[in-house]
Amino acid sequence: DTAVSQTPKYLVTQMGNDKSIKCEQNLGHDTMYWYKQDSKKFLKIMFSYNNKELIINETVPNRFSPKSPDKAHLNLHINSLELGDSAVYFCASSQDSAPNEQFFGPGTRLTVL
Amino acid sequence: AQSVTQPDIHITVSEGASLELRCNYSYGATPYLFWYVQSPGQGLQLLLKYFSGDTLVQGIKGFEAEFKRSQSSFNLRKPSVHWSDAAEYFCAVGARGSGTYKYIFGTGTRLKVLA
Repeated sequence: DTAVSQTPKYLVTQMGNDKSIKCEQNLGHDTMYWYKQDSKKFLKIMFSYNNKELIINETVPNRFSPKSPDKAHLNLHINSLELGDSAVYFCASSQDSAPNEQFFGPGTRLTVL
Repeated sequence: AQSVTQPDIHITVSEGASLELRCNYSYGATPYLFWYVQSPGQGLQLLLKYFSGDTLVQGIKGFEAEFKRSQSSFNLRKPSVHWSDAAEYFCAVGARGSGTYKYIFGTGTRLKVLA
């Protein structure tokens, strides 16, 4: 059983479109994250939710909007996609917001044309 | 500001040789340190972590890391590399921000293993 799953795995879209990436974890964790990994493999945190509450909101364009309908899900919606949004987006979860192991999903490769 | 530096972008070793991947961090308080591995097309998997106590920590897949506070380092080692170890390795620090912790990752070291 997959611990942290993301859909879709690949997403190819045109500039200006709106798209969503979904993430689900079945580990019973309280905290979930979204990371962006660029073409040079640099991994940067975007958002974190703890018990459906936003606790980390890095300097990310407000075209990016996370939504956590419940503890097990953290979705990422992106409006007006730009070329620079092309990257691999990783969802992760951890037991709580204290330092601990994070469990990563397989990633969603977003390509904006 | 907190930061993590992995000085080596690429490392190539022969199978069976020993390995050391370097990681230096900048953080004012006691760091929470991690090493993750990313295989091609996959998410990251935790190899080991250091929070406190014994400065030499053992992880999965035969890896170990040593925390050296005086050098602000947390280098990853393996005595004998296997071809399956070829992957990208990330060092990370858990740093306290505005009321919570966030994770700062290094830029990664790509390991290539020669048969």
